[in-house]
Amino acid sequence: QKEVEQDPGPLSVPEGAIVSLNCTYSNSAFQYFMWYRQYSRKGPELLMYTYSSGNKEDGRFTAQVDKSSKYISLFIRDSQPSDSATYLCAMSGDNDMRFGAGTRLTVKP
Amino acid sequence: NAGVTQTPKFQVLKTGQSMTLQCAQDMNHNSMYWYRQDPGMGLRLIYYSASEGTTDKGEVPNGYNVSRLNKREFSLRLESAAPSQTSVYFCASSTVPGANVLTFGAGSRLTVL
Repeated sequence: QKEVEQDPGPLSVPEGAIVSLNCTYSNSAFQYFMWYRQYSRKGPELLMYTYSSGNKEDGRFTAQVDKSSKYISLFIRDSQPSDSATYLCAMSGDNDMRFGAGTRLTVKP
Repeated sequence: NAGVTQTPKFQVLKTGQSMTLQCAQDMNHNSMYWYRQDPGMGLRLIYYSASEGTTDKGEVPNGYNVSRLNKREFSLRLESAAPSQTSVYFCASSTVPGANVLTFGAGSRLTVL
């Protein structure tokens, strides 16, 4: 079993749709949970991060963490063509940091 | 404000050749990292340097060496390249070891024939 599981997609949605991206993990020591966005042929850039369980909102983006289920989500409201990218989940704790394989998202105008 | 700069952006090598990937950051970060990214595998840590003068192995260190030249620079060396090392390499930096927030470079695409 991988440390972090992330559905690779691809995921294609129309502009304005609500997008849900998810990851599961196995290491209960993880305390910090991050989402990175990676445009084609670019380096990943941090989108959001949360500590422990709960929700965090930043504009159209909401990150949710459920540590009891070892499950994290990123929601994108009113998706835009500029949101088309690969989204990587990441988590860290106990001196370890792991990334999901990424979900490729396309938002069609 | 350059952030993390990697060179070269592209490189093609023959099996057995050696090369060094260079990385420099101008954010005064203590920790620096080298990752490789392969389809379906996510980012995997090769080596990291928690601070100037220290380096440690990550998840996939075999076939690589690193040098933390100073606080700004962290290089990755392939002594005898193999086709399995064909990948996209990313350098990253952060303020503290094991940090949650990484700043990545634009990547170096390496092909080993």
